[in-house]
Amino acid sequence: DTAVSQTPKYLVTQMGNDKSIKCEQNLGHDTMYWYKQDSKKFLKIMFSYNNKELIINETVPNRFSPKSPDKAHLNLHINSLELGDSAVYFCASSPPGTSTDTQYFGPGTRLTVL
Amino acid sequence: LAKTTQPISMDSYEGQEVNITCSHNNIATNDYITWYQQFPSQGPRFIIQGYKTKVTNEVASLFIPADRKSSTLSLPRVSLSDTAVYYCLGGTDGSSNTGKLIFGQGTTLQVKP
Repeated sequence: DTAVSQTPKYLVTQMGNDKSIKCEQNLGHDTMYWYKQDSKKFLKIMFSYNNKELIINETVPNRFSPKSPDKAHLNLHINSLELGDSAVYFCASSPPGTSTDTQYFGPGTRLTVL
Repeated sequence: LAKTTQPISMDSYEGQEVNITCSHNNIATNDYITWYQQFPSQGPRFIIQGYKTKVTNEVASLFIPADRKSSTLSLPRVSLSDTAVYYCLGGTDGSSNTGKLIFGQGTTLQVKP
C-alpha cells in the first residue's frame, strides 16, 4: 500500500530520446509535484498541480511536459533528452486543507542520459 | 521567502542527542518552519513542523525562539539509522501558499557506532 509511487525506479537512455516517468498517489491528495535532485543533492521544484491544474512551472525547459489525467496521477514526459537531464526525479503530494509545507515524496526515479 | 542556513555536516555517536540549528532571519509572519529527512536513495520525509516555542513528536523535537529567526531540531539518542540529510525549510513562497518548497543544501548527519 505504497503512498506515493513512481515508475520506473531507474531509467537509462540515450541523448535525444523521449521518455516518461509515472507517478501515482493513493492518499487522496489534491496537489502533486515534481522535483529534480541533481548530483550535488540540491532538490528543486519543477511543477505543481492542484486538481489536475498547473500551479507552478518553475522555468523548466518546455521539453518537460507534465500531464495529470486525474488528481491521483502526475506523469512527467521529457522530450529530446540531454546529458544535463541526468538526475533523480521525485514526485510528491500534499493533502488538502493543510499547510502545503507537508509533502509526501515518492521513492524517486534515477534518470541517466548517455 | 525565508532563506535558511544550516551546517553542511555533523558527526555524532550512537546514543547521543543531536541538535541541528537552522537560521532563517527573514522568515515571514505566516511561515511555518518545517524539517525533512532524506535517507540515501529515498525521497525526503516530513519530520516535524512548528510555528513557535516547542513541538515534539515521536521522531524529534523542534525548538523555536520567540523571534523565530532560528530553529533547532533535536534528535534524542540517535542510532546508526538516523544517518541522513536533514533539511530546514522556512515556509513556502509566502502568501500564495502554492506549495513551492525551497530546499537548501541540508545538513548531512553521520552517526557513528
